[in-house]
Amino acid sequence: AQKVTQAQTEISVVEKEDVTLDCVYETRDTTYYLFWYKQPPSGELVFLIRRNSFDEQNEISGRYSWNFQKSTSSFNFTITASQVVDSAVYFCALSEAYSTLTFGKGTMLLVSP
Amino acid sequence: DTAVSQTPKYLVTQMGNDKSIKCEQNLGHDTMYWYKQDSKKFLKIMFSYNNKELIINETVPNRFSPKSPDKAHLNLHINSLELGDSAVYFCASSQDTAVAPVYNEQFFGPGTRLTVL
Repeated sequence: AQKVTQAQTEISVVEKEDVTLDCVYETRDTTYYLFWYKQPPSGELVFLIRRNSFDEQNEISGRYSWNFQKSTSSFNFTITASQVVDSAVYFCALSEAYSTLTFGKGTMLLVSP
Repeated sequence: DTAVSQTPKYLVTQMGNDKSIKCEQNLGHDTMYWYKQDSKKFLKIMFSYNNKELIINETVPNRFSPKSPDKAHLNLHINSLELGDSAVYFCASSQDTAVAPVYNEQFFGPGTRLTVL
Protein backbone atom coordinates (compact mmCIF):
# COMPACT_ATOMS: atom_id res chain seq x y z
CA ALA A 1 0.00 0.00 0.00
CA GLN A 2 1.18 3.50 -0.70
CA LYS A 3 2.27 5.41 2.31
CA VAL A 4 1.48 8.73 0.71
CA THR A 5 -1.44 8.98 -1.67
CA GLN A 6 -2.07 11.95 -3.85
CA ALA A 7 -5.16 10.82 -5.66
CA GLN A 8 -5.35 13.80 -7.99
CA THR A 9 -2.94 13.22 -10.83
CA GLU A 10 -3.68 16.50 -12.58
CA ILE A 11 -5.84 19.51 -11.77
CA SER A 12 -6.66 22.33 -14.17
CA VAL A 13 -8.04 25.63 -12.94
CA VAL A 14 -8.44 29.12 -14.25
CA GLU A 15 -6.54 31.95 -12.61
CA LYS A 16 -8.07 33.28 -9.40
CA GLU A 17 -9.83 30.03 -8.61
CA ASP A 18 -9.11 28.36 -5.29
CA VAL A 19 -7.73 24.86 -5.50
CA THR A 20 -7.09 22.12 -2.94
CA LEU A 21 -4.51 19.40 -3.39
CA ASP A 22 -5.22 16.30 -1.37
CA CYS A 23 -2.70 14.20 0.51
CA VAL A 24 -3.53 11.10 2.52
CA TYR A 25 -0.79 9.27 4.40
CA GLU A 26 -0.42 6.00 6.21
CA THR A 27 1.80 5.35 9.19
CA ARG A 28 1.84 3.44 12.46
CA ASP A 29 4.32 5.80 14.07
CA THR A 30 3.16 8.35 16.59
CA THR A 31 5.99 10.70 15.66
CA TYR A 32 6.24 11.58 12.03
CA TYR A 33 6.66 14.58 9.77
CA LEU A 34 4.80 15.70 6.71
CA PHE A 35 6.13 17.92 3.97
CA TRP A 36 5.00 19.62 0.81
CA TYR A 37 7.38 20.37 -2.05
CA LYS A 38 6.78 22.23 -5.29
CA GLN A 39 8.40 21.35 -8.60
CA PRO A 40 7.83 24.10 -11.19
CA PRO A 41 8.38 23.47 -14.91
CA SER A 42 12.02 24.51 -14.51
CA GLY A 43 12.51 21.27 -12.58
CA GLU A 44 13.94 22.23 -9.21
CA LEU A 45 12.29 21.03 -6.00
CA VAL A 46 11.26 23.72 -3.57
CA PHE A 47 10.34 23.16 0.05
CA LEU A 48 6.99 24.64 1.08
CA ILE A 49 6.14 23.41 4.55
CA ARG A 50 6.90 20.88 7.28
CA ARG A 51 4.45 19.74 9.93
CA ASN A 52 5.08 17.33 12.80
CA SER A 53 2.51 14.85 14.00
CA PHE A 54 1.92 16.66 17.27
CA ASP A 55 0.99 19.95 15.71
CA GLU A 56 -2.43 19.89 14.11
CA GLN A 57 -2.73 23.61 13.76
CA ASN A 58 -3.53 24.77 10.30
CA GLU A 59 -1.01 27.04 8.69
CA ILE A 60 -1.41 29.95 6.34
CA SER A 61 1.35 31.57 4.34
CA GLY A 62 0.09 34.20 1.96
CA ARG A 63 -2.16 32.49 -0.56
CA TYR A 64 -1.11 29.05 0.67
CA SER A 65 -2.76 27.18 3.50
CA TRP A 66 -2.45 23.69 4.88
CA ASN A 67 -5.02 21.60 6.72
CA PHE A 68 -3.60 18.76 8.80
CA GLN A 69 -6.13 16.29 10.21
CA LYS A 70 -4.82 13.24 12.04
CA SER A 71 -8.32 11.78 12.31
CA THR A 72 -8.43 11.34 8.54
CA SER A 73 -4.65 11.04 8.01
CA SER A 74 -4.73 13.94 5.64
CA PHE A 75 -2.53 16.94 5.01
CA ASN A 76 -4.24 18.97 2.32
CA PHE A 77 -2.88 22.04 0.61
CA THR A 78 -5.03 24.91 -0.61
CA ILE A 79 -4.00 27.70 -2.93
CA THR A 80 -6.30 30.69 -2.80
CA ALA A 81 -6.73 32.89 -5.87
CA SER A 82 -4.41 30.75 -7.95
CA GLN A 83 -1.96 32.34 -10.35
CA VAL A 84 -0.25 31.08 -13.48
CA VAL A 85 3.03 30.94 -11.54
CA ASP A 86 1.48 28.32 -9.28
CA SER A 87 1.56 25.85 -12.17
CA ALA A 88 3.80 23.04 -10.99
CA VAL A 89 3.87 19.51 -9.70
CA TYR A 90 3.24 19.42 -5.97
CA PHE A 91 4.53 16.58 -3.83
CA CYS A 92 3.41 15.55 -0.39
CA ALA A 93 5.95 13.53 1.59
CA LEU A 94 6.08 11.58 4.84
CA SER A 95 9.00 10.97 7.17
CA GLU A 96 8.71 8.17 9.73
CA ALA A 97 10.94 6.96 12.53
CA TYR A 98 12.81 4.29 10.59
CA SER A 99 12.65 5.51 7.04
CA THR A 100 13.63 8.54 5.08
CA LEU A 101 11.33 10.71 3.07
CA THR A 102 8.60 8.92 1.14
CA PHE A 103 7.03 11.02 -1.58
CA GLY A 104 3.58 10.77 -3.05
CA LYS A 105 3.28 10.54 -6.81
CA GLY A 106 2.60 14.23 -7.12
CA THR A 107 -0.27 16.35 -8.40
CA MET A 108 0.28 18.44 -11.49
CA LEU A 109 -1.49 21.78 -11.18
CA LEU A 110 -2.15 23.73 -14.35
CA VAL A 111 -3.35 27.29 -13.89
CA SER A 112 -4.46 28.96 -17.07
CA PRO A 113 -4.93 32.70 -17.57
CA ASP B 1 25.75 31.28 -4.11
CA THR B 2 24.25 27.94 -5.11
CA ALA B 3 23.34 25.83 -2.09
CA VAL B 4 23.35 22.41 -3.74
CA SER B 5 24.94 22.09 -7.15
CA GLN B 6 25.11 19.16 -9.53
CA THR B 7 27.13 18.56 -12.64
CA PRO B 8 26.38 17.92 -15.36
CA LYS B 9 22.85 19.19 -15.85
CA TYR B 10 22.33 16.97 -18.89
CA LEU B 11 24.00 13.67 -19.68
CA VAL B 12 23.37 11.73 -22.86
CA THR B 13 25.21 8.47 -23.28
CA GLN B 14 25.09 5.04 -24.85
CA MET B 15 24.02 1.84 -23.17
CA GLY B 16 26.88 0.07 -21.48
CA ASN B 17 28.88 3.19 -20.71
CA ASP B 18 29.99 4.30 -17.25
CA LYS B 19 29.18 7.81 -16.09
CA SER B 20 29.40 9.97 -12.97
CA ILE B 21 27.30 12.77 -11.55
CA LYS B 22 28.83 15.14 -9.04
CA CYS B 23 27.08 16.91 -6.19
CA GLU B 24 28.33 19.58 -3.83
CA GLN B 25 26.59 21.45 -1.04
CA ASN B 26 27.86 24.57 0.69
CA LEU B 27 25.30 24.56 3.48
CA GLY B 28 27.42 22.75 6.04
CA HIS B 29 24.90 19.90 6.23
CA ASP B 30 25.80 16.47 7.55
CA THR B 31 23.35 14.45 5.49
CA MET B 32 23.17 14.09 1.75
CA TYR B 33 20.91 12.09 -0.52
CA TRP B 34 20.44 10.84 -4.05
CA TYR B 35 16.97 10.58 -5.51
CA LYS B 36 15.76 9.25 -8.83
CA GLN B 37 12.77 10.82 -10.57
CA ASP B 38 11.33 8.71 -13.36
CA SER B 39 9.41 9.81 -16.42
CA LYS B 40 6.16 9.80 -14.44
CA LYS B 41 7.69 12.22 -11.93
CA PHE B 42 7.85 9.60 -9.20
CA LEU B 43 10.59 10.52 -6.73
CA LYS B 44 12.37 7.75 -4.91
CA ILE B 45 15.31 7.81 -2.53
CA MET B 46 18.34 5.87 -3.68
CA PHE B 47 21.01 6.56 -1.10
CA SER B 48 21.47 8.52 2.05
CA TYR B 49 24.80 9.52 3.58
CA ASN B 50 25.40 10.91 7.02
CA ASN B 51 28.80 12.43 7.71
CA LYS B 52 30.38 10.57 4.77
CA GLU B 53 28.95 7.23 5.79
CA LEU B 54 26.41 5.32 3.74
CA ILE B 55 23.28 4.87 5.82
CA ILE B 56 20.59 3.89 3.39
CA ASN B 57 20.73 1.96 0.15
CA GLU B 58 17.24 1.50 -1.14
CA THR B 59 17.57 -1.70 -3.18
CA VAL B 60 19.46 0.08 -5.88
CA PRO B 61 21.40 -2.14 -8.32
CA ASN B 62 25.05 -2.36 -7.43
CA ARG B 63 25.87 -0.74 -10.76
CA PHE B 64 25.17 2.46 -8.83
CA SER B 65 27.94 3.41 -6.45
CA PRO B 66 27.84 6.58 -4.40
CA LYS B 67 31.02 8.08 -3.07
CA SER B 68 31.39 10.77 -0.46
CA PRO B 69 34.95 12.13 -0.32
CA ASP B 70 33.91 14.63 2.33
CA LYS B 71 30.75 15.95 3.97
CA ALA B 72 30.20 18.53 1.26
CA HIS B 73 30.32 16.13 -1.69
CA LEU B 74 28.32 13.10 -2.73
CA ASN B 75 29.01 11.73 -6.17
CA LEU B 76 27.14 9.03 -8.02
CA HIS B 77 28.89 6.65 -10.36
CA ILE B 78 26.88 4.40 -12.63
CA ASN B 79 28.41 1.41 -14.41
CA SER B 80 27.08 -0.37 -17.48
CA LEU B 81 24.25 2.06 -18.07
CA GLU B 82 20.90 0.61 -19.12
CA LEU B 83 17.93 2.16 -20.87
CA GLY B 84 15.95 2.04 -17.63
CA ASP B 85 18.46 4.29 -15.95
CA SER B 86 17.16 7.22 -17.97
CA ALA B 87 15.72 9.62 -15.41
CA VAL B 88 16.40 12.83 -13.55
CA TYR B 89 18.72 12.36 -10.62
CA PHE B 90 18.52 14.79 -7.73
CA CYS B 91 21.05 15.34 -5.02
CA ALA B 92 19.83 16.83 -1.75
CA SER B 93 21.15 17.74 1.65
CA SER B 94 19.67 18.48 5.05
CA GLN B 95 20.69 19.46 8.56
CA ASP B 96 19.47 16.15 9.93
CA THR B 97 22.10 14.47 12.04
CA ALA B 98 20.24 11.19 12.01
CA VAL B 99 18.91 9.78 8.81
CA ALA B 100 15.45 9.00 10.14
CA PRO B 101 13.11 10.48 10.83
CA VAL B 102 13.81 13.26 8.40
CA TYR B 103 12.96 16.39 10.33
CA ASN B 104 14.47 19.24 8.42
CA GLU B 105 13.76 20.46 4.96
CA GLN B 106 15.89 18.96 2.27
CA PHE B 107 17.60 21.31 -0.15
CA PHE B 108 17.65 19.87 -3.63
CA GLY B 109 20.08 20.39 -6.42
CA PRO B 110 18.83 21.35 -9.89
CA GLY B 111 18.84 17.75 -11.07
CA THR B 112 20.77 15.87 -13.75
CA ARG B 113 18.76 14.58 -16.67
CA LEU B 114 20.34 11.31 -17.77
CA THR B 115 19.36 9.89 -21.13
CA VAL B 116 20.63 6.45 -22.09
CA LEU B 117 20.39 5.64 -25.79
